[in-house]
Amino acid sequence: EVQLVESGGVVVQFGGSLRLSCTASGFIFDDFTMHWVRQVPGNGLEWVSHVSWDGTRTYYADSVKGRFTISRDNTKNSLHLEMNSLRSEDTAFYYCVKGGQMDWGQGTLVTVSS
Amino acid sequence: NFMLTQPHSVSESPGKTITISCTGSSGSIASNFVQWYQQRPGSAPTTLIYEDYKRPSGVSDRFSGSIDTSSNSASLTISGLKTEDEADYYCQSYDNNNWVFGGGTKLTVL
Repeated sequence: EVQLVESGGVVVQFGGSLRLSCTASGFIFDDFTMHWVRQVPGNGLEWVSHVSWDGTRTYYADSVKGRFTISRDNTKNSLHLEMNSLRSEDTAFYYCVKGGQMDWGQGTLVTVSS
Repeated sequence: NFMLTQPHSVSESPGKTITISCTGSSGSIASNFVQWYQQRPGSAPTTLIYEDYKRPSGVSDRFSGSIDTSSNSASLTISGLKTEDEADYYCQSYDNNNWVFGGGTKLTVL
């Protein structure tokens, strides 16, 4: 069974930094692209970033480009999102999503306070 | 930029069939795969349909996906509606290497 467990969501101050992690199990991690998707409570889904199976190719939404960095460690079956220069509009649930059949984690809440 | 448009809300009675549309703003909707996600209140999204019409194991065959090139739309059809189907539904496709989501459709089963 595919399991994706996000962690690292906390309350952080405006302009601060945060690192989210996603620990994967139940599948061959380096066979799949991995994604981060976020959702402001009460709003729709917004794709944030994705990374190729080998970590060499990364893509970002314009809203986070230059501030967020996605990475993966295939030796530890883990996905990360380094978030810098955080803004109030970054407050959201952040979901880790596995490519292919698109399995989702349960999400972790990031709150940026002013 | 490529956009996907969904109806804001739909409603239908239990036991009936409903179809939710997802219309592409440009290009051909058939050029890239479309996925459909269900999100119940207070829960994370789950995948109902991937690659236009495929169902992950464990997803009921009451859910089906299709593509209509004449209207440049993807559709999610839910048959035999149940009250537990009340949720938000999102379509998703691609714009180059980026994911694009529709705005979501709130389904009420009454």
